[in-house]
Amino acid sequence: GEDVEQSLFLSVREGDSSVINCTYTDSSSTYLYWYKQEPGAGLQLLTYIFSNMDMKQDQRLTVLLNKKDKHLSLRIADTQTGDSAIYFCAERGSSNTGKLIFGQGTTLQVKP
Amino acid sequence: DAGVIQSPRHEVTEMGQEVTLRCKPISGHDYLFWYRQTMMRGLELLIYFNNNVPIDDSGMPEDRFSAKMPNASFSTLKIQPSEPRDSAVYFCASSVAGQWGNTIYFGEGSWLTVV
Repeated sequence: GEDVEQSLFLSVREGDSSVINCTYTDSSSTYLYWYKQEPGAGLQLLTYIFSNMDMKQDQRLTVLLNKKDKHLSLRIADTQTGDSAIYFCAERGSSNTGKLIFGQGTTLQVKP
Repeated sequence: DAGVIQSPRHEVTEMGQEVTLRCKPISGHDYLFWYRQTMMRGLELLIYFNNNVPIDDSGMPEDRFSAKMPNASFSTLKIQPSEPRDSAVYFCASSVAGQWGNTIYFGEGSWLTVV
């Protein structure tokens, strides 16, 4: 079946790089997404990657996709205290039912 | 674009009372989702609609929960009777097929406390 796994917690110092990892099971996934949830708010789309790409860069964000290992990562360069949030990985399953499969979220704590 | 609009933002109710959560999806979106988020269980998909028709309600916890989508611009999630274990943040979200796959846009959530 479709499943997405993430580590639950990551703590880094301000200015360091953060790497949040995600594994998924559906090898047919066409799109993979990263969402950010700040305290008291809904989830907001951060970035996405199409499955025929290995990497996508967007300012401080770098998404790496290893299709062979079904591994997705989000790297945040020069992490700031404002990056403290929960980060969700999600995939669009092959069945194209319209829904996304979300991981359980990784809480990123940025220490000053 | 106004985004997904949910109401109420916060609700405190007594056990046994009926709770109705409301959602207005983004205009033109043909999918609507109801999620529940708790510390213990994370983000759970309760039900979703396509073109106002329920597609998958396997995530609805039990018969106390019901959802409707009478038209393309409005949906409700009802809990009757409510119980303390229903306390959670309930998110409504919408999407349209084709743009970046199925990018889902979330509302700000309805924070429900049942005492």
